[in-house]
Amino acid sequence: DAGVIQSPRHEVTEMGQEVTLRCKPISGHDYLFWYRQTMMRGLELLIYFNNNVPIDDSGMPEDRFSAKMPNASFSTLKIQPSEPRDSAVYFCASSLGPGAGAFFGQGTRLTVV
Amino acid sequence: TQLLEQSPQFLSIQEGENLTVYCNSSSVFSSLQWYRQEPGEGPVLLVTVVTGGEVKKLKRLTFQFGDARKDSSLHITAAQPGDTGLYLCAGLFWAGGTSYGKLTFGQGTILTVHP
Repeated sequence: DAGVIQSPRHEVTEMGQEVTLRCKPISGHDYLFWYRQTMMRGLELLIYFNNNVPIDDSGMPEDRFSAKMPNASFSTLKIQPSEPRDSAVYFCASSLGPGAGAFFGQGTRLTVV
Repeated sequence: TQLLEQSPQFLSIQEGENLTVYCNSSSVFSSLQWYRQEPGEGPVLLVTVVTGGEVKKLKRLTFQFGDARKDSSLHITAAQPGDTGLYLCAGLFWAGGTSYGKLTFGQGTILTVHP
C-alpha cells in the first residue's frame, strides 16, 4: 500500500485566495483525520470522519475552513479566504478504528503571504 | 478540551545516555499512543497502550501506561543519534455521544542525541 497520500506537498498563496488540500487515505481505513501543525500550537485536530461522515469538527478554527469526504478514498480541506495565520503544515491521517493507531501522510506545507 | 502535557519539551543528550519522556493528563485515556516524527515527515506510530499498568518494549524503547490510565512514559536506553526526533504522545478520549475516535496530541518532546 502506498500509504496516505496528500497533495500538494507545498502551497504558496496570497491572502484572500481559496486553498484546497487533498488526501487519499489507506484503503480499508474507516477513520480519516485532518491535523494542523505549528511550532506554537503543536499538532491540532481539526476534524475527523468515520465512514465518510464528519464526526467531530470542533477543532475547525472558523467558518473559513471546510472539509468534505465524498467517498472512502478521498477527502478535501478547503480554506476560503486564506489568511497569513493559516500558514502551517496540514496533515491527513487515517486509521482502522479508535485506538488502532493513525497513519499520517507527508503533509502539505501551506504558506499564505 | 482534553489536554496532554509532555515533559520535557526539549532534551539534548550524549550518545549512550538514558532518558525518559512523560505524558500526563487530568482525563482518563481509552488508549494512548506514542509517535516519532522526523523533519519534513508525518508522525509515525511507535506503540499503542490500552491497559492500565501495561508495559511494552520496542528494542531500546520502553513504554509504560499508568495504572489510572492518565499518564504514560517513554524510556530510551543507550540513546543513539538515530533516535533524534520529535516524540509525541496521543490520547484517545471518549468525548461523549458518537465522538469516540478523537485522537489528541501532546506538544511533543524534541530529542537530540549527540554522537
